[in-house]
Amino acid sequence: QVLLQESGPGLKKPSETLSLTCTVSGGPVIKNGHFCSWIRQPPGKGLEWMGYIYYSGTTNYNPSLKSRVTMSVDTSKNQMSLKLTSVTAADTAVYYCAGGEYYFDYWGQGTLVTVSS
Amino acid sequence: DIQLTQSPSFLSASIGDRVTITCRASLGISSYLAWYQQRPGKAPKLLIYAASTLQSGVPSRFSGSGSGTDFILTITSLQPEDFATYYCQHLTVFGPGTKVHIK
Repeated sequence: QVLLQESGPGLKKPSETLSLTCTVSGGPVIKNGHFCSWIRQPPGKGLEWMGYIYYSGTTNYNPSLKSRVTMSVDTSKNQMSLKLTSVTAADTAVYYCAGGEYYFDYWGQGTLVTVSS
Repeated sequence: DIQLTQSPSFLSASIGDRVTITCRASLGISSYLAWYQQRPGKAPKLLIYAASTLQSGVPSRFSGSGSGTDFILTITSLQPEDFATYYCQHLTVFGPGTKVHIK
């Protein structure tokens, strides 16, 4: 069973860069034919897909975030990472990593990031 | 870009009720639709994929139907643990959610 665990700072200041890590256990960081995504959820709101990395290394980002977001994989640590630059209060959210073959079969428990001065 | 709408946004129901939630796509998406359940403070959980296929381990009181632009999630005999928010999803787009709460 694949388990995902997000980690990172819970508080960032406006204009800073947010860095989060998703540690995968129970299998490779991204299985053949699978993808891994970051999805976020502002408090009391719905789900927003941020982007994905496919097992081949191909990335695809939400156009609304494209200029600020980078996702990468570290196979030696079995981790996927997210970097989001120039954060504002609007980036306050619970950040989830999630993956699967065609759908989001498995999810981390999420990590809350608050952007505030 | 494809957009997903859900109705209703909020739904009050009682234990044992039959509940239906609708998801509508702005363009035809064949059967490429999933449904997720999110309980308060928890991550979403995949319930149904490919519009009507039940994810392993999900109770059979959940079912999905539809294709093209109109999809339905049905919960027969609502249980206490089913009070949650439900989202439909197509590729990189999520619907706005339907919150099911106790009448």
